[in-house]
Amino acid sequence: DQQVKQNSPSLSVQEGRISILNCDYTNSMFDYFLWYKKYPAEGPTFLISISSIKDKNEDGRFTVFLNKSAKHLSLHIVPSQPGDSAVYFCAASAGSGNTGKLIFGQGTTLQVKP
Amino acid sequence: SQTIHQWPATLVQPVGSPLSLECTVEGTSNPNLYWYRQAAGRGLQLLFYSVGIGQISSEVPQNLSASRPQDRQFILSSKKLLLSDSGFYLCAWDQSRVFKAFFGQGTRLTVV
Repeated sequence: DQQVKQNSPSLSVQEGRISILNCDYTNSMFDYFLWYKKYPAEGPTFLISISSIKDKNEDGRFTVFLNKSAKHLSLHIVPSQPGDSAVYFCAASAGSGNTGKLIFGQGTTLQVKP
Repeated sequence: SQTIHQWPATLVQPVGSPLSLECTVEGTSNPNLYWYRQAAGRGLQLLFYSVGIGQISSEVPQNLSASRPQDRQFILSSKKLLLSDSGFYLCAWDQSRVFKAFFGQGTRLTVV
């Protein structure tokens, strides 16, 4: 049972344009969402997060939007740069107790073409 | 600043051999510690987590075990590896109620 889904395995965009990565979840208990970026043979690095009490969080070129009614979130990268090419993982947490156990999506490979 | 170390970076082991992967965190105390695995073409799956020394919770039944002998040390083990244990193993840490995990560089395990 995949509680967090990234239905697009890959995305290709031109440098300077907007990249939009999507993520859907099924568990209504999730109250915190994160995006991670991963290069091959490296661990994921934290990118941006959003609490369920918000619908938007912005950090530089990165903006995460949350639609709780649709159980959907998206990551916007504007403008996209070749260095953004990586695998992007969406993750969710139910904030259970004191742990931040994360449930990850399958990942979306973003390629930004020069 | 906090750092997380995970080793080895790559490992090739025969079926039936034992496994020990080690992870240590520096610059913080009493972290929550996690082991994740990324199988080929799939997302990251949480295997184990620990909120303190000697406290281990398993998320999925498997051929692996975890131990936390010290506050900032987390070990992933197996007595006999299976082919299906191949994957990319990641150690991570966070602080209680700060739901932003920091990951190590990962170990690529290939069971042959």
